Amino acid sequence: NAGVTQTPKFRVLKTGQSMTLLCAQDMNHEYMYWYRQDPGMGLRLIHYSVGEGTTAKGEVPDGYNVSRLKKQNFLLGLESAAPSQTSVYFCASRENRDSYNEQFFGPGTRLTVL
Amino acid sequence: SQKIEQNSEALNIQEGKTATLTCNYTNYSPAYLQWYRQDPGRGPVFLLLIRENEKEKRKERLKVTFDTTLKQSLFHITASQPADSATYLCALDMSSGGGADGLTFGKGTHLIIQP
Repeated sequence: NAGVTQTPKFRVLKTGQSMTLLCAQDMNHEYMYWYRQDPGMGLRLIHYSVGEGTTAKGEVPDGYNVSRLKKQNFLLGLESAAPSQTSVYFCASRENRDSYNEQFFGPGTRLTVL
Repeated sequence: SQKIEQNSEALNIQEGKTATLTCNYTNYSPAYLQWYRQDPGRGPVFLLLIRENEKEKRKERLKVTFDTTLKQSLFHITASQPADSATYLCALDMSSGGGADGLTFGKGTHLIIQP
């Protein structure tokens, strides 16, 4: 039982390049999230999904797109990377719609945009 | 949107003492509040959850209180150990304020337990 995994662990991009971050969970969770964490700031929600085939915007969605084609996977895309998107990205999952469920986080992806 | 403040960026405590971390929020009352631990280079790990109608929750050496009148939660670690050194994050649900179905986090408190 691997929990929540993220690939890649590290990535360096040039401004304008695109990339996709992959999140996978093996706990059969309904809800999945993408957060970013920047120095001096709390984790901020980018996008989330309440089930396969659904996505919704969080606090800071601009510049990102997401897809949830399979229940176990949640993809975060950057179409044209900008230096402001340099951050550590965390994926998380939650069991179901019960609001009191804890979130399980992945190990993070450290992205640098030059 | 919710604003969350956690006391001092860093907190130094002597081993064996009780560490007390503070989380204050400013706007809507959340349905629940969660505490997470984050070690360097790792993702947050869930510790405790307390609901709006609960005053106190305990788990081993950990205790959380929730005062909706003061808009404050206190997180206590008793008999602290060097292994408790980490960053502790306070998180509130967004949906109670009409926001997304996710969490809003404080910046965290970096706790250092000195031997």
